[in-house]
Amino acid sequence: RKEVEQDPGPFNVPEGATVAFNCTYSNSASQSFFWYRQDCRKEPKLLMSVYSSGNEDGRFTAQLNRASQYISLLIRDSKLSDSATYLCVVHASGGSYIPTFGRGTSLIVHP
Amino acid sequence: EAGVVQSPRYKIIEKKQPVAFWCNPISGHNTLYWYLQNLGQGPELLIRYENEEAVDDSQLPKDRFSAERLKGVDSTLKIQPAELGDSAVYLCASSATGTSYETQYFGPGTRLLVL
Repeated sequence: RKEVEQDPGPFNVPEGATVAFNCTYSNSASQSFFWYRQDCRKEPKLLMSVYSSGNEDGRFTAQLNRASQYISLLIRDSKLSDSATYLCVVHASGGSYIPTFGRGTSLIVHP
Repeated sequence: EAGVVQSPRYKIIEKKQPVAFWCNPISGHNTLYWYLQNLGQGPELLIRYENEEAVDDSQLPKDRFSAERLKGVDSTLKIQPAELGDSAVYLCASSATGTSYETQYFGPGTRLLVL
């Protein structure tokens, strides 16, 4: 079993739709969590960190469920420009950690 | 502020040849990461530096891969000899101090094709 798992998709949604992605992690000692966005043939860029209490940034909401060991990303009112791959990243606790990326979930927003 | 710089952007070599990638992190960033990304997969960490010290290199295939960050600033990743399966994108990233809560900033990557 992979340490960080994501449904690769693609998720194909119309503009204006609400879409949600989940990411599960296996290491219960994981401490910090992130969503990165990666456009085709580009480098990953931070979308948002995921806090224990959940956090929102405009149309994007991230949630953490430690009991079930998953994080989620909700995108409301999808735009064409949201089309990208969304990477889940998990950092284990401790002074020396290995950032572990999921394989990413592909989102395609169509007119 | 300049971002993470990588060169070359593209490299095509024949198998068994050596290849080297260069990365210059964001000014002032102490932590530097090298990742490998295959098509359809997420980045996989190869090595992480805190200043000039390699603090995580357990996933670096040391029989053919080597890396250095001699002065704690820019870094070089080398493969010798390259194999067909090394074809991938090699990403460099940096963060300010390397705590697990920090954002990583990625360079554009070097796209390697081994023939």
